Amino acid sequence: DTAVSQTPKYLVTQMGNDKSIKCEQNLGHDTMYWYKQDSKKFLKIMFSYNNKELIINETVPNRFSPKSPDKAHLNLHINSLELGDSAVYFCASSPGTKADTQYFGPGTRLTVL
Amino acid sequence: RKEVEQDPGPFNVPEGATVAFNCTYSNSASQSFFWYRQDCRKEPKLLMSVYSSGNEDGRFTAQLNRASQYISLLIRDSKLSDSATYLCVVKPFNAGGTSYGKLTFGQGTILTVHP
Repeated sequence: DTAVSQTPKYLVTQMGNDKSIKCEQNLGHDTMYWYKQDSKKFLKIMFSYNNKELIINETVPNRFSPKSPDKAHLNLHINSLELGDSAVYFCASSPGTKADTQYFGPGTRLTVL
Repeated sequence: RKEVEQDPGPFNVPEGATVAFNCTYSNSASQSFFWYRQDCRKEPKLLMSVYSSGNEDGRFTAQLNRASQYISLLIRDSKLSDSATYLCVVKPFNAGGTSYGKLTFGQGTILTVHP
């Protein structure tokens, strides 16, 4: 039983394209996150939603737009992809904003050519 | 200065060795501290939380020194399966007094345990 799932697992695309990554959690958690892990392995938070409401929006280009249709789903849409967007994108969830443990999805490896 | 800094590594140790990782953080108002483990091409997973009094989980011991803003992880009797990247993670306060769940990760220390 997958707790936090992401699709697709791999995404290879050309510069300038628009793409989406989907995330779903079946843990009943209220809070979901998107993180980016670059080639130097730094994991940085991008966005967080709590009960479908945006609560964290780090300094991320506005080409990145998260959407939470319900609290079990948090999708990430990226417009006009650039080479520098190549990274692994991890979705995570937690029972709430005060919970210490976050559960990560398997990651989506995005390669922009 | 990075918010969370770790030993650069990599560490290559034989099975059975004891190895220690260090980490410093810059935000003195940080709230919670953790060690996560990330296997190659996998997602990070919580290894253990770090408490002020220090805590142990089997072969793993974590220490926190708030005055020095320093966190450590000690692994005793290393196993081949301990090979992974160990991420030091801090949960800071924001200006409003809550962190909204934001975790700040160090860049990780790679550990390879060999036979």
